[in-house]
Amino acid sequence: EAEVAQSPRYKITEKSQAVAFWCDPISGHATLYWYRQILGQGPELLVQFQDESVVDDSQLPKDRFSAERLKGVDSTLKIQPAELGDSAMYLCASKGREGIQETQYFGPGTRLLVL
Amino acid sequence: GQQLNQSPQSMFIQEGEDVSMNCTSSSIFNTWLWYKQDPGEGPVLLIALYKAGELTSNGRLTAQFGITRKDSFLNISASIPSDVGIYFCAVNRDDKIIFGKGTRLHILP
Repeated sequence: EAEVAQSPRYKITEKSQAVAFWCDPISGHATLYWYRQILGQGPELLVQFQDESVVDDSQLPKDRFSAERLKGVDSTLKIQPAELGDSAMYLCASKGREGIQETQYFGPGTRLLVL
Repeated sequence: GQQLNQSPQSMFIQEGEDVSMNCTSSSIFNTWLWYKQDPGEGPVLLIALYKAGELTSNGRLTAQFGITRKDSFLNISASIPSDVGIYFCAVNRDDKIIFGKGTRLHILP
């Protein structure tokens, strides 16, 4: 069964350092999402891509966060510089059709700890 | 911010018991979703509801889309240890998923 792949699974960094997360969506899925999930909360959308284009990045803190999907396949989310409050799970999802409806499928996430 | 009110926040039950959790919103939505998240993993879709009043089952799970389109509930019958995890209600708005804060299910031996 096809899955969304993410790496690394865990990342520990010091504040002010740069970190990057990678996501490979399910093959053929044109829409890709990055979510942030703070402990004890539900995931919240950071950015949405349609192919290589950003559809919605209104919730992305653009002073330190950037996301790209240059070839419309895999995607990278970067934080520079990382702050203590960035500690969270970063989830990637891609959207595809299951039956007659479209569904978002989530990857396993990257758990970030900023010290 | 979050627009969904999910309750209870956590539940402690005995194995074999039935479970019920619900989600409400002040806004109308046309799609209600229920996800489960295991520790260290991403959410997995359990049930999707697309029509007001719809009652859908997936094994021991049953979910309903409220008639007002402002609420949904999820029931789990005859709970087993692997049901442990966090259950999220969610809605689809403008091709984006909005999640509730989750219900953490604990099963006592």
